[in-house]
Amino acid sequence: DTGVSQNPRHKITKRGQNVTFRCDPISEHNRLYWYRQTLGQGPEFLTYFQNEAQLEKSRLLSDRFSAERPKGSFSTLEIQRTEQGDSAMYLCASTWNYGYTFGSGTRLTVV
Amino acid sequence: DQQVKQNSPSLSVQEGRISILNCDYTNSMFDYFLWYKKYPAEGPTFLISISSIKDKNEDGRFTVFLNKSAKHLSLHIVPSQPGDSAVYFCAASAEGAKLVFGQGTRLTINP
Repeated sequence: DTGVSQNPRHKITKRGQNVTFRCDPISEHNRLYWYRQTLGQGPEFLTYFQNEAQLEKSRLLSDRFSAERPKGSFSTLEIQRTEQGDSAMYLCASTWNYGYTFGSGTRLTVV
Repeated sequence: DQQVKQNSPSLSVQEGRISILNCDYTNSMFDYFLWYKKYPAEGPTFLISISSIKDKNEDGRFTVFLNKSAKHLSLHIVPSQPGDSAVYFCAASAEGAKLVFGQGTRLTINP
């Protein structure tokens, strides 16, 4: 499979719990992006990595959010002490130059 | 501030006719524009793109037009087919950086 893989596809969690999502990019892509999409809106940029370096973080990424990309391969996005406002689709994309490829996303529901 | 805007939340077109989706942007640094198609519970799928050095790009039934002076781009789909029913997002980037998305337009193709 040469696409971008995201796990899990769906996550339901209780408010206050921590959650972690994983993204496996296309292997030869050096940039990896995380986006968040809420109902009725387009995807909003959260953060991106060039290889293992996290080069930019959005103001949307509060201190409860952390992302890593060890060794420049897969990436994880962790949300601590989840709030109902964190409910959204979390999308990962990888790219080489201008060729962005998105994964199917992880839908988070905080109850 | 919304740098990329899709002012029509929805559009309904008869099968076989032309669908025209519009997008406006404000950032003159954007040099690459993309259209994505999104089905529910899936990530965005790349459709077509255009560089700022061009004013038109065509791929089968899909054509993207760019008017830099007006900071406007449009996606034409002709002829429209029922399988084209989806949410379409316009996105832009500057110098290969993060994508900035519009809010999306839900296209419905009626038989």
